Amino acid sequence: EVQLVESGGGLVQPGGSLRLSCSASGFTFSTYAMHWVRQAPGKGLEHVSGISSYGGSTYYADSVKGRLTISRDNSKNTLNLQMSSLRAEDTAVYYCVKAWGSGYPGVGFNYWGQGTLVTVSS
Amino acid sequence: DIQMTQSPSSLSASVGDRVTITCQASQDISNYLNWYQQIPGKAPKLLIYDVSNLETGVPSRFSGSGSGTDFTFTISSLQPEDIATYYCQQYDNLSVTFGQGTRLEIK
Repeated sequence: EVQLVESGGGLVQPGGSLRLSCSASGFTFSTYAMHWVRQAPGKGLEHVSGISSYGGSTYYADSVKGRLTISRDNSKNTLNLQMSSLRAEDTAVYYCVKAWGSGYPGVGFNYWGQGTLVTVSS
Repeated sequence: DIQMTQSPSSLSASVGDRVTITCQASQDISNYLNWYQQIPGKAPKLLIYDVSNLETGVPSRFSGSGSGTDFTFTISSLQPEDIATYYCQQYDNLSVTFGQGTRLEIK
C-alpha cells in the first residue's frame, strides 16, 4: 500500500524558515517524480515544486522561486521541502504527491499525503 | 506559464442530472490534461488522466474529452457522493498548473 506521510508543519513568523519532510513507502520511490502541492485555506490547488526521480531536475512555481528548495533522498525514501523567507501568503496545507509515469512531471498525481499545515503569522 | 481557466466556479445540480465542467488552457497542451476530485476535508483524488482515461476504480459515469486548449469533464448522472470540488490540471512542457476549481453542490 502506498503511503505518503508529511511532517514538519507548524506556526512560523514571517521571514522564518521551516523544513517539511515526506516519508514514502509501498512503492519504488526512486522511480517516480515527486511534487509538493499546496492549498491555502478555502482556496484552490497550487503546484509549488517538483523533482525528477533521481533528483537531477527541480522545478518551482514563480511564487516560491528562490525561497523554497525541494530535495529527495532515495536511499531513505524521503522528500523534503526547505522553506525560507516565509510570507503570510505561504500559509497553506502542503501535500506531498507522487506522480506516475516516466519522466518529469509524470502523468497523473495518483497518490497524495494527508497534508501538513504551515501557518505564517506573527 | 500556462493558465487554466475552469468554468463554472460553482454549480448546483440535482441527483441524476448530467453535469459538465469546462477547462480552457492558455495555449495548446495537446492531451496533457487531468481531472481531480476533492471531497471537503480530504486530499484530491485523480479521476481522469490524459483527457479521457479513467483511473482504476473510478465509476464510468465520469468522463472527459477535448484536445488542444478546450476540455470537458462530465458526470453523466450525478450521485450524492459526487459532491466535491473538481480541478483540471495541465502538465505540458515541464510545467504543472491547476484550474481554479469548480465546486459542485446538490440542489
